[in-house]
Amino acid sequence: NAGVTQTPKFQVLKTGQSMTLQCAQDMNHEYMSWYRQDPGMGLRLIHYSVGAGITDQGEVPNGYNVSRSTTEDFPLRLLSAAPSQTSVYFCASSYRFNTDTQYFGPGTRLTVL
Amino acid sequence: AQSVTQPDIHITVSEGASLELRCNYSYGATPYLFWYVQSPGQGLQLLLKYFSGDTLVQGIKGFEAEFKRSQSSFNLRKPSVHWSDAAEYFCAVAPNNDMRFGAGTRLTVKP
Repeated sequence: NAGVTQTPKFQVLKTGQSMTLQCAQDMNHEYMSWYRQDPGMGLRLIHYSVGAGITDQGEVPNGYNVSRSTTEDFPLRLLSAAPSQTSVYFCASSYRFNTDTQYFGPGTRLTVL
Repeated sequence: AQSVTQPDIHITVSEGASLELRCNYSYGATPYLFWYVQSPGQGLQLLLKYFSGDTLVQGIKGFEAEFKRSQSSFNLRKPSVHWSDAAEYFCAVAPNNDMRFGAGTRLTVKP
């Protein structure tokens, strides 16, 4: 049981490049979410999903896309990276709702030059 | 708008001393409240949560928190801090499917 896994751990992009951050969980959780963590700001919700085929926006969705084709995977796409997207990104999952215990991945540290 | 405020950015306590981390929220309805801990380089781990009922909530690692509706607060406490408690602590509120975190309080433990 690996829990929540994220790849890559570190990534450096140039402005305008695109990339996908991967997130997978093996706990058969329905709810999955993406957060970004910036110094002095805590975590902010980017997008979330309540099940396969269902996604919705969080607090800071601009510049990011998500899809949920399977229960296990919830990738986050940066369409055209900007320096303002330099951050640490965390994926989390929970059984059905965000009020259930959320299990967090180890994070991806992204730098956009 | 829903928000969470953690007034203390950084707290230092001696090992064995008691700890209280403050959290205030702004939310119209009865909130779901959480405390998470983040060790360096790690993801977050849930310490405890409050939905309703008894306003004193027990969590893991010897932590507890008290919900006070009149003060819009959900402060985290521990009677005796261990060196391994050094970490960053986040209070959060969950309106609907959203979740709003405070900016965090970094705890340093002196030997």
